[in-house]
Amino acid sequence: RKEVEQDPGPFNVPEGATVAFNCTYSNSASQSFFWYRQDCRKEPKLLMSVYSSGNEDGRFTAQLNRASQYISLLIRDSKLSDSATYLCVVNNPGSARQLTFGSGTQLTVLP
Amino acid sequence: DGGITQSPKYLFRKEGQNVTLSCEQNLNHDAMYWYRQDPGQGLRLIYYSQIVNDFQKGDIAEGYSVSREKKESFPLTVTSAQKNPTAFYLCASAYRRGPGETQYFGPGTRLLVL
Repeated sequence: RKEVEQDPGPFNVPEGATVAFNCTYSNSASQSFFWYRQDCRKEPKLLMSVYSSGNEDGRFTAQLNRASQYISLLIRDSKLSDSATYLCVVNNPGSARQLTFGSGTQLTVLP
Repeated sequence: DGGITQSPKYLFRKEGQNVTLSCEQNLNHDAMYWYRQDPGQGLRLIYYSQIVNDFQKGDIAEGYSVSREKKESFPLTVTSAQKNPTAFYLCASAYRRGPGETQYFGPGTRLLVL
């Protein structure tokens, strides 16, 4: 089982739609969870941190389910500018490596 | 401005040549990382450093070398032993916040083999 597994996508949605991405992780001791956004041929940029039961920032909501080792990202009222690859990132307690990155889910918002 | 810089943006390597990728940060972060990203794949850790004059191998260190002589600098050398070096190389730095750390990335260097 991969340490961090994401929906492969791609997701193609119309502008204004609501879209959700899923991510599962294998290390039950993980405590920190992040969503990064990566535009084509650019570096990943932090979108949201998820430390407890969930996090909301404007149109973006991240949920954490520790029992199922599952996190999700919900984007409401999608904009054309939301088109990107979304990376699920999980920390590794006790490891200096610290973070494991998922392979990402590609989103294209269509006009 | 505070941030992480990487240079060059594009780099071409000939067969048998060693090349060095630069990474500099002025965020006063202790930890620095090098990742490799191939198309359609996640980031894979090459090397990391938690403090000056100390660094550790990541998951794919073979064919690469690093140094950490200064807190703000963490250069990566891609040696001729790395047989498939074409990739997008990302440098990151981090401070500790809460139970873990948040990593911030430089703009990356694309390495192509001629």
